[in-house]
Parts: sequence; structure tokens; C-alpha cells
Amino acid sequence: QQQVKQSPQSLIVQKGGISIINCAYENTAFDYFPWYQQFPGKGPALLIAIRPDVSEKKEGRFTISFNKSAKQFSLHIMDSQPGDSATYFCAASRRNAGNMLTFGGGTRLMVKP
Amino acid sequence: EAGVVQSPRYKIIEKKQPVAFWCNPISGHNTLYWYLQNLGQGPELLIRYENEEAVDDSQLPKDRFSAERLKGVDSTLKIQPAELGDSAVYLCASSQPTGQGGETQYFGPGTRLLVL
Repeated sequence: QQQVKQSPQSLIVQKGGISIINCAYENTAFDYFPWYQQFPGKGPALLIAIRPDVSEKKEGRFTISFNKSAKQFSLHIMDSQPGDSATYFCAASRRNAGNMLTFGGGTRLMVKP
Repeated sequence: EAGVVQSPRYKIIEKKQPVAFWCNPISGHNTLYWYLQNLGQGPELLIRYENEEAVDDSQLPKDRFSAERLKGVDSTLKIQPAELGDSAVYLCASSQPTGQGGETQYFGPGTRLLVL
């Protein structure tokens, strides 16, 4: 059962543009929603995370928008840069399940100079 | 501060051979995770340790996979015998429980396994 669905699978954006990646989840018990960034040959690294009691969180050029009723959340990368080219994974976890992360399928982002 | 260390980084073996992966978590992190990442997919949890105790191994294929975390620090994941379908990246991650949930998991670079 795929509990976290991510789209699109790949995304090409021009430098300076906005990159938007969407995720939907099924389990309403999830209480933590992080986004991870992964470069080739590296492990995933936490980028930004949100809890369901807020609708938006911004850190620099990265913003998470969270819609609890729709069970959806998205990552917005403003002023996208070539250095942002990587694979992005949304994930979800719940505290009473040991905080184990359930990952989406990933989005390969390419930012063209 | 050193991150999560994994070795080897790459491993090529023939099917039916055994293989082992090693992980050294961030110092002081009590929780250790092993994930499997197939090409083009997100990581999937195999096993989670709290100190030396495996508290969730429901996704670990126990007929051929085994893991241990002696003394609650380093961990080893073993496959015996390996099958072609085991070709993937094996990621280790660690975190420090805060009791509030949502603790950041820090990932190592992974071991890329190719089974021929």
C-alpha cells in the first residue's frame, strides 16, 4: 500500500522559476511531514518539515504548504537555482509508530541555467 | 561532527553469495534505521533499532536478511544468500529521540549493491 503519493516524477524548471512538488497521504495518523533532498551518490538530507497544526512553513527559498482536510502537502522552491537540481522526497511519520518515515516516490528536479 | 558512516560504498557480488554492510551512526544517536532504496524510488524501512534492540523488523525479509547492533552503536546488515532482486542502495540513518516526535533522521551515503 502506497501511503504517500508524490507528483510529478520529474520536473524541469528554468533558473529563477518556481518549482512545485505535490504529495498526498492516506493515513490521517501521520503527524510529521518532512521533505528530503538527495543528490546523486548521497543519502537523503532533511530540507524542511511541517506538522499538521500549521498550514505553511517557510525557510529561505523553500516553503511547505499543508492542507489537512485534503490530506495534501507541497514543496515550493522559489527562485530555483541549478544547484537545486536533485531528487526530492516527501515523507510522513507518526510519533506512536516510532517516527518511521514513509517516503513518496521522489521527484527528479532539473533547473536549467 | 562526523555524519553517518557506511561501508563499503559499493559492492558487486554473484547471486547466492553472502554480503554484509556496516553502519556507524552519529555519536550519541540511540535510534538506527536501515532502509532499502531501489533505483528511482523512495527509501523503504527494513529495520529500526532503539539502542541494541530491534523494535521494528516487520519489513525485513528474515529468510535471507539479518541485522545486528551490538552494544547499541554500530550495526551490520547481512544478506545470505543474495538474489538478483537485492540489487539496490542500502541506506543507514540515525536519530536522537526527543520524545516529541519528528526527530530528524540523518542518512549515510549508502552502500550500492549489484548482484550479478
